[in-house]
Amino acid sequence: TQLLEQSPQFLSIQEGENLTVYCNSSSVFSSLQWYRQEPGEGPVLLVTVVTGGEVKKLKRLTFQFGDARKDSSLHITAAQPGDTGLYLCAGAGEGSNYKLTFGKGTLLTVNP
Amino acid sequence: SAVISQKPSRDICQRGTSLTIQCQVDSQVTMMFWYRQQPGQSLTLIATANQGSEATYESGFVIDKFPISRPNLTFSTLTVSNMSPEDSSIYLCSAVPGHSYEQYFGPGTRLTVT
Repeated sequence: TQLLEQSPQFLSIQEGENLTVYCNSSSVFSSLQWYRQEPGEGPVLLVTVVTGGEVKKLKRLTFQFGDARKDSSLHITAAQPGDTGLYLCAGAGEGSNYKLTFGKGTLLTVNP
Repeated sequence: SAVISQKPSRDICQRGTSLTIQCQVDSQVTMMFWYRQQPGQSLTLIATANQGSEATYESGFVIDKFPISRPNLTFSTLTVSNMSPEDSSIYLCSAVPGHSYEQYFGPGTRLTVT
């Protein structure tokens, strides 16, 4: 069974601060996806990383996939209240037939 | 990408009854999945909905309790049978279009069992 350890579980910061969310595993993933979910809605895909060492940027969000494809991080620069939500990382194991293993999620609150 | 709709968006049901949730995708997709989520928590995979054959269930989930249909490449249903208050949760379907790794989610169905 593949496990994804996501941290921190809760994060409350002030507008303008930076933050990093981590996902770690002892297993290798063929791809890793990051989602953001707001109350009453389904998770929205932010990014997919597939290559070890890959870095992707989405405006103020920077996503990195570890060289060994076992870990990933999400860094948000100058957080805004609109960034508030539940952030989920999810990995697809090699040969998993697209099944995702989800981390426990990070509930981010950005206070104005 | 894929746009996914679910019906109903929410329901309140009495224990012992069954509810069928529908999931419609706007294009043909390779894979469809069903998840359960408690508010504010992560997702737990229930099963993979296989087109034209029986669904593949994860440990802890059985066909008698969660029968799934997938008659074609754009539609699937999940039934929650003989409901109890413990089944109160958000049920989400997802889809993987083509040969992409990317998985897209519907808006969810919020089920409350009284």
